[in-house]
Amino acid sequence: DIQMTQSPSSVSASVGDRVTITCRASQDISTWLAWYQQKPGKAPKLLIYTASSLQSGVPSRFSGSGSGTDFTLTISSLQPEDFATYHCQQSNSFPLTFGGGTKVEIK
Amino acid sequence: QLQLQESGPGLVKPSETLSLTCTVSGGSITSYSYYWGWIRQPPGKGLEWIGSIYYSAITYYNPSLKSRVTISIDTSKNQFSLQLTSVTAADTAIYYCARHKFNSGWYNFDYWGQGTLVTVSS
Repeated sequence: DIQMTQSPSSVSASVGDRVTITCRASQDISTWLAWYQQKPGKAPKLLIYTASSLQSGVPSRFSGSGSGTDFTLTISSLQPEDFATYHCQQSNSFPLTFGGGTKVEIK
Repeated sequence: QLQLQESGPGLVKPSETLSLTCTVSGGSITSYSYYWGWIRQPPGKGLEWIGSIYYSAITYYNPSLKSRVTISIDTSKNQFSLQLTSVTAADTAIYYCARHKFNSGWYNFDYWGQGTLVTVSS
């Protein structure tokens, strides 16, 4: 199985800050990585797929990068609605696996 | 607009079988392009993929749950279902149904149900 490790597990930031979250895969997954945003009591929402492609309707302040084993989700200027938990997921092969999540909290 | 909706008991006794159904509306479950999957999330914890099924009934399961899981599909009702046997408190979670593409590498979930909380308790 491919293990996915996210860091940090939580981050405190202010509106307008640039926030970066990292996801590492235990083996090479090329660019087969997705990012999700999850707000309390809600289902996850797909933000980015194939490491850097923005899902339709997602604001351009979200961006993704990386390939192989190391990936990054960046929020260029944090907005109030961005306070949430973010999950990475390898979409390369079964069994599908997720990272542990990163909670973005208000500073 | 595609919608997925989970349904089933919110409380299951230990050692019994958890059964959930996902009803798909606004699109066909027999699309050649997609798998239909189940994901769960214990309270306050991360996401765990349970398994996925194709319209032809091809299935893939999480090895950690494989001995207890069955996912089935009913194309006449546009539904797919999850059965998890011999449940314990560790199976208490929000259970989501979701869709992902058929092609390898494109296994990201683009549509999700709202989720349903299943509690295992006597």
